[in-house]
Amino acid sequence: GDSVTQMEGPVTLSEEAFLTINCTYTATGYPSLFWYVQYPGEGLQLLLKATKADDKGSNKGFEATYRKETTSFHLEKGSVQVSDSAVYFCALSPQGSGYSTLTFGKGTMLLVSP
Amino acid sequence: GAVVSQHPSRVICKSGTSVKIECRSLDFQATTMFWYRQFPKQSLMLMATSNEGSKATYEQGVEKDKFLINHASLTLSTLTVTSAHPEDSSFYICSASNREKLFFGSGTQLSVL
Repeated sequence: GDSVTQMEGPVTLSEEAFLTINCTYTATGYPSLFWYVQYPGEGLQLLLKATKADDKGSNKGFEATYRKETTSFHLEKGSVQVSDSAVYFCALSPQGSGYSTLTFGKGTMLLVSP
Repeated sequence: GAVVSQHPSRVICKSGTSVKIECRSLDFQATTMFWYRQFPKQSLMLMATSNEGSKATYEQGVEKDKFLINHASLTLSTLTVTSAHPEDSSFYICSASNREKLFFGSGTQLSVL
């Protein structure tokens, strides 16, 4: 079945450091790929998404590129802020299924210190 | 602001009692609602999918008699954990969809003593 593997956390960085959170997936065809973020005490929010190979999703300075050849969707940000501290979830939905079937990774906690 | 409200955020109950968790869509009509369960350091696992006015569809391995889901209106779904036991302690999250977008609640931490 489909699966998502993301790096374990917590990831601890200083403000303005470069961030990479790795995410790889297993699925047939061309699933849609997502990054969700969960700030303390809040629900998951969609951060960015990509629906086909080589697409780059971007939002709030975060980027992730859909790499079919490596089945990866790594999240990057050039300069993190304290306010980026949250849990980040990589997820996929099978080709053509929209939001009806999301498979999530375990989540990676990011802690950014001043 | 939040478009999906989930209550309570935290509940502690005695073993054998039942607990109801509410999930409300605030700004839109949710044709479909999803219930997830998350154990510490684990993925969100889909428990069930419910469409307004119809019975919920449960994922394999989820006991439908223990986890009762009601989706009586386009803005409200409830999950009732019946006769809760310590192994039911977990983080429960709902999400609501209007086919175009998906929004998540902030989750409920259930602790069964």
